[in-house]
Amino acid sequence: EADIYQTPRYLVIGTGKKITLECSQTMGHDKMYWYQQDPGMELHLIHYSYGVNSTEKGDLSSESTVSRIRTEHFPLTLESARPSHTSQYLCASSERQGGPNSPLHFGNGTRLTVT
Amino acid sequence: AQSVTQPDIHITVSEGASLELRCNYSYGATPYLFWYVQSPGQGLQLLLKYFSGDTLVQGIKGFEAEFKRSQSSFNLRKPSVHWSDAAEYFCAVGGRLTGGGNKLTFGTGTQLKVEL
Repeated sequence: EADIYQTPRYLVIGTGKKITLECSQTMGHDKMYWYQQDPGMELHLIHYSYGVNSTEKGDLSSESTVSRIRTEHFPLTLESARPSHTSQYLCASSERQGGPNSPLHFGNGTRLTVT
Repeated sequence: AQSVTQPDIHITVSEGASLELRCNYSYGATPYLFWYVQSPGQGLQLLLKYFSGDTLVQGIKGFEAEFKRSQSSFNLRKPSVHWSDAAEYFCAVGGRLTGGGNKLTFGTGTQLKVEL
């Protein structure tokens, strides 16, 4: 039923590796988001985009970077993974006219483990 | 700054029993409130939302929530819980982002366990 797709679902990788987490949506949404989720903690917004070629940092400081070259695609990259990056990363999108009343649609997440 | 508090980290109920999950928010204006559910290994699914109007809102899977401005609360309820309702539930309040979009601020979640 999901119209927003994240790959991979699980990733175990060694320290220092470069990784890219993929996120794509087929709903034509302009707004896209990346949240970081740790067990027992609230979700934290780390990046968002309000359209092609726009990217902004969220509340939680993150060493990751994002890009938005196409409407449907919003990948997140870590240039050099560290154990502190171990977490679940959730991608989401909301509709063009969306403001604070606009629900976010979430993907199934990528669970990243850095050893 | 907006914030959300979910005071119950874990709740266990018997199948068929009623359920209430608590949520308190802090927001300077009329809040936009959401409840999401997350099953193990899955993303978040929207259960229901409140913007204005009737303070009792109906959602999917038989859930409802009541907005009480005087108590700054938006509690989630279900009259009869099913084993498949076992999951983590997140309350959230919406806010504005530069350039548009919804800055959702989440609570820490309530883990629901259902005993058969």
